[in-house]
Parts: sequence; structure tokens; C-alpha cells
Amino acid sequence: NAGVTQTPKFQVLKTGQSMTLQCAQDMNHNSMYWYRQDPGMGLRLIYYSASEGTTDKGEVPNGYNVSRLNKREFSLRLESAAPSQTSVYFCASSDHSSYNEQFFGPGTRLTVL
Amino acid sequence: DAKTTQPPSMDCAEGRAANLPCNHSTISGNEYVYWYRQIHSQGPQYIIHGLKNNETNEMASLIITEDRKSSTLILPHATLRDTAVYYCIISTDSWGKFQFGAGTQVVVTP
Repeated sequence: NAGVTQTPKFQVLKTGQSMTLQCAQDMNHNSMYWYRQDPGMGLRLIYYSASEGTTDKGEVPNGYNVSRLNKREFSLRLESAAPSQTSVYFCASSDHSSYNEQFFGPGTRLTVL
Repeated sequence: DAKTTQPPSMDCAEGRAANLPCNHSTISGNEYVYWYRQIHSQGPQYIIHGLKNNETNEMASLIITEDRKSSTLILPHATLRDTAVYYCIISTDSWGKFQFGAGTQVVVTP
């Protein structure tokens, strides 16, 4: 069981470039999430997907798009990267069980120059 | 979801109990208290959760006051590996959206 995997681990972009962050989970979870974490701060929710085929905005969705490709995979796309999007991005997943234990991936460190 | 207040940092001696407070004075009756921790640069990890009763698992104990306006996470015998940022989160959802605050940076010293 790999849990939640994210690729790439590190990425450097120039302003205006685009890229897609990939996330996959092998726990058969229904829900998946994308968070960002800026230095010294807690995580903020960007987008989430309650189940396959659905996505919803979180706290800070501007500048991002998501795709729930199937039950396993949830990708985050930056169409035109900006320096303000320099952050660590975490993907998480959870099941619709009796409580909300979210399992997190190792993160992607993104720097936008 | 209710907001939480946690001290920004605290130190704990190795082998001693670490008591981490959290205030959530606006908590509603159907909101759970969750605790997660984040060890340096890693993704957060679930520790424990509770509604009204005190809870214990292999990692920690959670004490919730009778009025539910505050709670305390107890790490019974802190080790160096418990050095992390600890987040107290209030949520109604059995899945879904968490609001992570800044948390408490706990440093366990030898």
C-alpha cells in the first residue's frame, strides 16, 4: 500500500508557465483534497472532490483548476503560474466513514520565479 | 465551522507528558474536535478526535471540557519524534473540509 502519492516532489516554474500536479491514492477512498501551505502557516484548502465526478472550490481556488480523473486520481493544474503560488502543495484522501481521517501525501514543493 | 485558538509554541522534556490546550468557545453541538500533527515538511497525520467524551488511543488522549469550549491533547510520554506542529480542528463533517490554523509548535528536548 503506497497510500497517497504525489508527483513531482519539486518543481521550479517561471511566471506564466503552466503545470499539472498529480495525486493518486490506492486506499479506495471516495474523497480527495488539494491544500497549499505557505511558510509558517497552516494548510489552506484549494479544491476538493467528494466523490468521483464531482469537484468543489475550497478556501483559495483562484488560479487553479482540478480534475478528478477517476476514483484514484485527482490532479491540480496551474494555468499561468504566479510567484504568489510558490508554496508546498499537499494532496489528501479520506473515506466516508464515521469520522474524517484524512491521509496526506508527501507534498510538492513549487517555486515560481 | 468553529474557530480555534492554540498557543504558538511550547516545550516539553522527553519522557514527560505534553499537554496541548485548544480553545473553541464557539463550537456547536454537532462539531467534532480533531487533532492532527505535522512533522517537519511532511503531510499532516491524524492523531485523535472526539465529540463529547474523553478519548484515548495508542498515540494520545483527548480531554474535552464539559461545556465543550476547550480541549487538551495529552501525549503521555513525549519522545523526540513527537516534535511537530499540532493542529486542533473543529468540523461537523464526517468527511470534507478542514480549516487548519497555525497550530502549536511542540519541541521535545532531551
